[in-house]
Amino acid sequence: DAMVIQNPRYQVTQFGKPVTLSCSQTLNHNVMYWYQQKSSQAPKLLFHYYDKDFNNEADTPDNFQSRRPNTSFCFLDIRSPGLGDAAMYLCATRRIGTSYSNQPQHFGDGTRLSIL
Amino acid sequence: AQTVTQSQPEMSVQEAETVTLSCTYDTSESDYYLFWYKQPPSRQMILVIRQEAYKQQNATENRFSVNFQKAAKSFSLKISDSQLGDAAMYFCAYRSARTGNQFYFGTGTSLTVIP
Repeated sequence: DAMVIQNPRYQVTQFGKPVTLSCSQTLNHNVMYWYQQKSSQAPKLLFHYYDKDFNNEADTPDNFQSRRPNTSFCFLDIRSPGLGDAAMYLCATRRIGTSYSNQPQHFGDGTRLSIL
Repeated sequence: AQTVTQSQPEMSVQEAETVTLSCTYDTSESDYYLFWYKQPPSRQMILVIRQEAYKQQNATENRFSVNFQKAAKSFSLKISDSQLGDAAMYFCAYRSARTGNQFYFGTGTSLTVIP
């Protein structure tokens, strides 16, 4: 089945040790998103790619970077994780055609990141 | 950025009964899209229902329907004949039709279904 796959489901890293979360999709969607979701809070958009165009939210810390080497894959890099970065990280995709439309996002299962 | 507000952090409903989850939003735009997403515990977020702001008719998907009040900037979700599988966190989301890509989410409502 076509889907959005996030690996790993659970990730533990040490304070300050770089970590990479991955997302892949078989939907061939041209937009990919990364969200941070802390307990009992709304998902917070970090950035998104529209094809190869990277769009960073103004309040996303510099500590967070992203790469999209091809349509199918997108990575979230946290260069020096702090305790406050412990959260669920959600990847989502969306298809945009010739105009913006009501196409929804399709989400992966998320990666829960813990910081020791 | 647009603001989406869900004023009910938690709700509960008896199985087979009806429940309504509230959502309000703040925008100066006239063309936009609204969504309700469901996030079961430890499972992925999935779309429940969507509404285009230019449509006056309320969207319906089986047991799920919305009450879209554009002037009041209100977008509530009604779940009829509630089932145990409906227990989840429900998020309301807004997306501009003009600027396009960003989705703005509310803080969610945790729905418990009581057998």
